[in-house]
Amino acid sequence: SAVISQKPSRDICQRGTSLTIQCQVDSQVTMMFWYRQQPGQSLTLIATANQGSEATYESGFVIDKFPISRPNLTFSTLTVSNMSPEDSSIYLCSVAGDREYGYTFGSGTRLTVV
Amino acid sequence: GQQLNQSPQSMFIQEGEDVSMNCTSSSIFNTWLWYKQDPGEGPVLLIALYKAGELTSNGRLTAQFGITRKDSFLNISASIPSDVGIYFCAGLGGNQFYFGTGTSLTVIP
Repeated sequence: SAVISQKPSRDICQRGTSLTIQCQVDSQVTMMFWYRQQPGQSLTLIATANQGSEATYESGFVIDKFPISRPNLTFSTLTVSNMSPEDSSIYLCSVAGDREYGYTFGSGTRLTVV
Repeated sequence: GQQLNQSPQSMFIQEGEDVSMNCTSSSIFNTWLWYKQDPGEGPVLLIALYKAGELTSNGRLTAQFGITRKDSFLNISASIPSDVGIYFCAGLGGNQFYFGTGTSLTVIP
């Protein structure tokens, strides 16, 4: 399965600022996914990022708040913009592996907004 | 988005006991996955299921793809302290996976 490096692993940010999270994969993948996991909750898909096209956002998530870049087949970034305490969550990137391995996740970015 | 109903929400068991948890959906899925998440880490895939009725094992873990394709079960036999964590089911619907609400497992030595 793919190996994903995600950084930063955690950050504490001031409200109103922005944070960019990076996700690097050790192999070329077509589809990368960004999830949010609020405290004590399950995973919610934010958007799907395909190389060479605009990200596709799920209901409740907008590009202005969560801009995504996908410059090549091994890298993606998610920016959390104009942060508020409600944005405090774990953000995870994921890639679609082969049939046997399903989705592989990065180790996550634990964001605290104060 | 769609969310799967996972139960129980939490479990406290003695080391050596067996564990059972399940996941149900109102929709049919073609693929079911089970993940474990340790504190501060991303989810790690435990078992993948691709066919209704399929029963798959991974060491002490056994998972089944329900016949109706709307549910899945995960069993852990002879639990050990390192089984502690949160277990998530995930079902493939359309082009994305939907995740269960999670089962928090605590193993008491």
